[in-house]
Amino acid sequence: GDSVTQMEGPVTLSEEAFLTINCTYTATGYPSLFWYVQYPGEGLQLLLKATKADDKGSNKGFEATYRKETTSFHLEKGSVQVSDSAVYFCALSGDTGNQFYFGTGTSLTVIP
Amino acid sequence: DGGITQSPKYLFRKEGQNVTLSCEQNLNHDAMYWYRQDPGQGLRLIYYSQIVNDFQKGDIAEGYSVSREKKESFPLTVTSAQKNPTAFYLCASSIAVAKNIQYFGAGTRLSVL
Repeated sequence: GDSVTQMEGPVTLSEEAFLTINCTYTATGYPSLFWYVQYPGEGLQLLLKATKADDKGSNKGFEATYRKETTSFHLEKGSVQVSDSAVYFCALSGDTGNQFYFGTGTSLTVIP
Repeated sequence: DGGITQSPKYLFRKEGQNVTLSCEQNLNHDAMYWYRQDPGQGLRLIYYSQIVNDFQKGDIAEGYSVSREKKESFPLTVTSAQKNPTAFYLCASSIAVAKNIQYFGAGTRLSVL
């Protein structure tokens, strides 16, 4: 069945460092891919999405490219800030399935 | 503003008690979902509903029940059969089930007294 595998954390970075959080997926057909962010004690917020191969989703300096050949959707940011400290979830929604599939989440802490 | 409202934000359950978590959306979405999140873990699907008067079990439905009598509302009842109910519960909705963005409420934290 469909699934998402996400890089385990926690990840700790200094401010202005480069961020990569790896995400790979398994799916039949052509799923849509998402990154969500969760701040402490809150629900999930959509960060970015991509709906087809080679699409690049971007928002707030974060980017991820839908790579069908490597079945990946890695999250990147060139220069992280303390305010980026949160848990990040990779997710998949299939085109024939009836569920969303979430990764286990990666906790990011950015220190000044 | 359109969105998803979960209430209460914090809820306490006594032994043997059923409790109901509220989820309301004014986004005119057909599909709604309930997830459970345990500390340091990902989301696990409890129930989902694609349309009014219809719902399906997710991966961990035992000890929970839902109803979908109105499009806007998808309450979750945590029954006394759920022996380990302490968790953070998240409600979400989407236009439809396949390939659509899910929008989340702020969550309800349930604890056992």
